[in-house]
Amino acid sequence: TQLLEQSPQFLSIQEGENLTVYCNSSSVFSSLQWYRQEPGEGPVLLVTVVTGGEVKKLKRLTFQFGDARKDSSLHITAAQPGDTGLYLCAGVSYGGSQGNLIFGKGTKLSVKP
Amino acid sequence: EAQVTQNPRYLITVTGKKLTVTCSQNMNHEYMSWYRQDPGLGLRQIYYSMNVEVTDKGDVPEGYKVSRKEKRNFPLILESPSPNQTSLYFCASSSPHQQYFGPGTRLTVT
Repeated sequence: TQLLEQSPQFLSIQEGENLTVYCNSSSVFSSLQWYRQEPGEGPVLLVTVVTGGEVKKLKRLTFQFGDARKDSSLHITAAQPGDTGLYLCAGVSYGGSQGNLIFGKGTKLSVKP
Repeated sequence: EAQVTQNPRYLITVTGKKLTVTCSQNMNHEYMSWYRQDPGLGLRQIYYSMNVEVTDKGDVPEGYKVSRKEKRNFPLILESPSPNQTSLYFCASSSPHQQYFGPGTRLTVT
């Protein structure tokens, strides 16, 4: 069974701090996605990384896919209270489809003003 | 506007009373899924459907049924709900590049 381990599970920081969330697996994925989920809502896609070593930026968020396509990280610069939420990574295995995502358990981020 | 709708959003029921949670998408996607989300366990796939009349089990299918008679609808059926099915349920619809999630249904079985 393929697993995606996310760390840390919980993170509470002050506004303006930087943080990194990690998503690791022993399995190789064809692509990896990051979602953000706010209370009372479904997850919303932030980014998809496809190529090993790929780096994508979304304003203050930087996403990286590991060279071996087994891990990924999400770095937030100068966090703001609006970044608060549950961050989920999800992988598509080789031979799998977009509808067959494997999700990590998530990192719950709280950014205090 | 592209969206996935679920109904009801909240439901409290008793053990053994059959219920259906509806899911509908307006994006003409072939692939739809149901997940449950539990604290400490994350999102787990219950069932998925690759097209009309094509469904398959996900990771936690026990106690659930689905049907896909039309492309836009993918209802989740609990024939005899039990307290361990108390959870937050999400329907999702997939394009080749991403999943779109519904707003969730919070189910409590007493």
